[in-house]
Amino acid sequence: DADVTQTPRNRITKTGKRIMLECSQTKGHDRMYWYRQDPGLGLRLIYYSFDVKDINKGEISDGYSVSRQAQAKFSLSLESAIPNQTALYFCATSDFDWRISSETQYFGPGTRLLVL
Amino acid sequence: GIQVEQSPPDLILQEGANSTLRCNFSDSVNNLQWFHQNPWGQLINLFYIPSGTKQNGRLSATTVATERYSLLYISSSQTTDSGVYFCAVVTSYDKVIFGPGTSLSVIP
Repeated sequence: DADVTQTPRNRITKTGKRIMLECSQTKGHDRMYWYRQDPGLGLRLIYYSFDVKDINKGEISDGYSVSRQAQAKFSLSLESAIPNQTALYFCATSDFDWRISSETQYFGPGTRLLVL
Repeated sequence: GIQVEQSPPDLILQEGANSTLRCNFSDSVNNLQWFHQNPWGQLINLFYIPSGTKQNGRLSATTVATERYSLLYISSSQTTDSGVYFCAVVTSYDKVIFGPGTSLSVIP
């Protein structure tokens, strides 16, 4: 869905390097999420943000940090990359519709990260 | 923490067949969602269903929150239904926990 974009789409880096993954959305949603997916596994939540001033740790936040620069932008950083951070990273946005008590998450295309 | 299990882990169907995927969770949750990840890795939200039943075309889902399970029904399966189906729960602490997924292959 072009409404949620991630850059870069693929990245190879070396152990110890700092790397930033960026996510932008044009859906006007307040809620944004970062997940990682390892082969054969489901997604695990790294960080999430319900608005610009709200940042929360997810299930596996160690080794990661985030920045919510604006409603539309949510960046994920690996301060010192290590090989077990090799994974597929997804950004997602959502908005809770109180009228029908429903929420739909929209995912970006993913970023494949390889840490050597 | 909450455990989320999905069954079966793998499923192969002939095109046109029906199937039921199950998601069990070990504690009360605030909501539950079903997702489909296609063979190219794209993730699509299918249902937001903390309780009750919803239908969308050939897909429907039912969550029985008191018994801590949800079912996803796929009727008249098509090859484009192939991929991995995940359920994800949101806890009272706003933690999102995904299940391990059910890998579905629909063969013509």
